[in-house]
Amino acid sequence: ETGVTQSPTHLIKTRGQQVTLRCSSQSGHNTVSWYQQALGQGPQFIFQYYREEENGRGNFPPRFSGLQFPNYSSELNVNALELDDSALYLCASSSRGGDYGYTFGSGTRLTVV
Amino acid sequence: QQQVKQSPQSLIVQKGGISIINCAYENTAFDYFPWYQQFPGKGPALLIAIRPDVSEKKEGRFTISFNKSAKQFSLHIMDSQPGDSATYFCAGLNYGQNFVFGPGTRLSVLP
Repeated sequence: ETGVTQSPTHLIKTRGQQVTLRCSSQSGHNTVSWYQQALGQGPQFIFQYYREEENGRGNFPPRFSGLQFPNYSSELNVNALELDDSALYLCASSSRGGDYGYTFGSGTRLTVV
Repeated sequence: QQQVKQSPQSLIVQKGGISIINCAYENTAFDYFPWYQQFPGKGPALLIAIRPDVSEKKEGRFTISFNKSAKQFSLHIMDSQPGDSATYFCAGLNYGQNFVFGPGTRLSVLP
């Protein structure tokens, strides 16, 4: 059984650019959630995907968008990058109807310069 | 309100001592309260979790105490070890929704 895999592990982008982060969910999990963790802070919920549709969103602007694919993997896209978008982006997978079995990936460290 | 408050912000404990981290929540819809451990450069890893119908849960050296009426819960780490040095996050979850995390406690266990 594999865990949650995120790619890339590190990324440096210039302000105004666009970025795509990827997440492969744990085997048997059908729900993916994305979190942003700024340095020294707790993770903040961005959005959740279930059955390829957004199923809940935190207080993030529309330039944060996502996708979920039929194999339950997911992408997080951020347009018009700002310096404050520099953070660790975490993906967590779970099984809707399961017993709270959330698994986090190791994250993608995004630096915007 | 969704906020989860956590204290202290940082904690220094001698090896073999007891580490105690406290959290308070506001959302009475939360029905699952996990503690996560995070090492630098890694994602959070589930340490121990409790549901609100239980007042205490112990797993090895780790214990959660839960006070539903006060909307507070705490993590106790007995016989703290240098390898426990990490950042600890409490969280609340409304099942099927999202985690709301506390701001974290940075624990340092001195050898």
